[in-house]
Amino acid sequence: GDSVTQMEGPVTLSEEAFLTINCTYTATGYPSLFWYVQYPGEGLQLLLKATKADDKGSNKGFEATYRKETTSFHLEKGSVQVSDSAVYFCASGGATNKLIFGTGTLLAVQP
Amino acid sequence: NAGVTQTPKFQVLKTGQSMTLQCAQDMNHEYMSWYRQDPGMGLRLIHYSVGAGITDQGEVPNGYNVSRSTTEDFPLRLLSAAPSQTSVYFCASSYRRTGGGYGYTFGSGTRLTVV
Repeated sequence: GDSVTQMEGPVTLSEEAFLTINCTYTATGYPSLFWYVQYPGEGLQLLLKATKADDKGSNKGFEATYRKETTSFHLEKGSVQVSDSAVYFCASGGATNKLIFGTGTLLAVQP
Repeated sequence: NAGVTQTPKFQVLKTGQSMTLQCAQDMNHEYMSWYRQDPGMGLRLIHYSVGAGITDQGEVPNGYNVSRSTTEDFPLRLLSAAPSQTSVYFCASSYRRTGGGYGYTFGSGTRLTVV
């Protein structure tokens, strides 16, 4: 069945460092891909999405490109801030509308 | 516009007790679902519904029941709580039932502890 694999955390960075969180997927067909963010004590919020190959999703300085050839959707940000500290989830959405999530990656940004 | 409302926010149950986690949405979304979040396992789908009167099982349905009598409400029932059901539960709704995973709105979660 469909699945999403993302790098384990925690990822600890200093403020203004470059961030990459890896995500790969397996799916029948061509799913839509998402990154969700969960701040402490809160629910999930959509960060960005891409619906087809080579699409780039972007929001709040974060970017991810849908790579069909490598079945990847890595999250990047050029300069992280303390306020970016959260858990990040990669997810895929297929024909059934179900969202399949990765295990989540905790990001801790230190001042 | 309240979005997706979950109650209660916190609950402690004794093994064997029953309870219902409430979920309501005011966006007229057709699709609703329940997930549980456990450390190192991400979010796993428990049950989902594509419309009033229609429900189906997700990845981890055992020990849980659902019903969808109205578009707005999608309660999750634990008939006999077990410690393995200690988790954070999220309800979500979406305007699109035909595929893609778009337009999900998540509730703020219910933290359940079974002792």
